[in-house]
Amino acid sequence: EPEVTQTPSHQVTQMGQEVILRCVPISNHLYFYWYRQILGQKVEFLVSFYNNEISEKSEIFDDQFSVERPDGSNFTLKIRSTKLEDSAMYFCAGQRQVYGYTFGSGTRLTVV
Amino acid sequence: KQEVTQIPAALSVPEGENLVLNCSFTDSAIYNLQWFRQDPGKGLTSLLLIQSSQREQTSGRLNASLDKSSGRSTLYIAASQPGDSATYLCAVPISNFGNEKLTFGTGTRLTIIP
Repeated sequence: EPEVTQTPSHQVTQMGQEVILRCVPISNHLYFYWYRQILGQKVEFLVSFYNNEISEKSEIFDDQFSVERPDGSNFTLKIRSTKLEDSAMYFCAGQRQVYGYTFGSGTRLTVV
Repeated sequence: KQEVTQIPAALSVPEGENLVLNCSFTDSAIYNLQWFRQDPGKGLTSLLLIQSSQREQTSGRLNASLDKSSGRSTLYIAASQPGDSATYLCAVPISNFGNEKLTFGTGTRLTIIP
């Protein structure tokens, strides 16, 4: 069964540094998403991406966040200047209408 | 604004028992509901997707039901096994012209006692 692949599985970074989280979605998915889950809290929506542009973003997704699909396959989430409160699991997901979501295994980001 | 609630937050049952996990949502204008499993520190594995036109969906020992009018879904696990221990999440989409961002519940942490 096709999978959504995320790398790295765990990243530790110093506060103020930039990080790039990477995802390879399933090729026939049309919509792509980033979600995050702070330890002990709900999974929450960050941003959706369709046809090479952002279709919706949450209030969490401020100017320090950006997404790209530079080569038609990889899908990246960049955090420009990390803060302690950015520590969370970040999940990439893809979706085809009617068929539901497929999530990646996540990247655990620890900001120190 | 859609709110999704899962009760109980945690559940422990002996191996072999059947069990039911509950999910409720405040806005019944949904067109599907998805159940996920999450192992500690891991990703989300899709278990079942129920369309609004369906009342039930089955996969192996799992059966999910959906009652839109009452804003409820249940996940029934038959003959539970220690490997079923995980957190179970339900999620409903908010559709915006095909873009379906999900609203998640807080999950039920299930422990199966051998």
